Amino acid sequence: SQQGEEDPQALSIQEGENATMNCSYKTSINNLQWYRQNSGRGLVHLILIRSNEREKHSGRLRVTLDTSKKSSSLLITASRAADTASYFCATHLNSGYSTLTFGKGTMLLVSP
Amino acid sequence: EPEVTQTPSHQVTQMGQEVILRCVPISNHLYFYWYRQILGQKVEFLVSFYNNEISEKSEIFDDQFSVERPDGSNFTLKIRSTKLEDSAMYFCASNGQGDFYGYTFGSGTRLTVV
Repeated sequence: SQQGEEDPQALSIQEGENATMNCSYKTSINNLQWYRQNSGRGLVHLILIRSNEREKHSGRLRVTLDTSKKSSSLLITASRAADTASYFCATHLNSGYSTLTFGKGTMLLVSP
Repeated sequence: EPEVTQTPSHQVTQMGQEVILRCVPISNHLYFYWYRQILGQKVEFLVSFYNNEISEKSEIFDDQFSVERPDGSNFTLKIRSTKLEDSAMYFCASNGQGDFYGYTFGSGTRLTVV
């Protein structure tokens, strides 16, 4: 299996609800990042959490990291239709190979 | 807010032709990257560039690919002889603090090889 696997693959919710996306990885990491991609557009960096951090907040975003389980979650609270996008986790490994490894992403649809 | 700019947004080329994808990273950034995303698949790393040389490259980045920073502002990706399987969205990214920080990505160039 592969580094950086998100689940669910797709998530459909109503405006105002919370959305939770999960990411699992296989090897030891330096940090884990979450990106958003609107359809046909570039990737937008949302938040970075380092391997020695357990939780981080940014606005309506909350990211957790559990290095013992090699997993992370991204919570978007009080979702809006504008949050509709694909969300990717990306890991920076500890091995010295320093580039980002992306997962396949979770497609989030927020209905008004 | 500073942006990474990529041109063109869409390029159609015939198989075997050379293409150059252009990027203007954020002006005070020092680290530059190319990634690509084949439709429906993961975003894949191609190459990283620092101090006017390649710092890392993936298996995808073979002899058909090259990068250049010709004038201190542009950062280009050249594919010498395109193949059908090179069709993808190509993203340029930069950051100012090194590999272990968030990247700023451009909006991408959709390359279609026919």
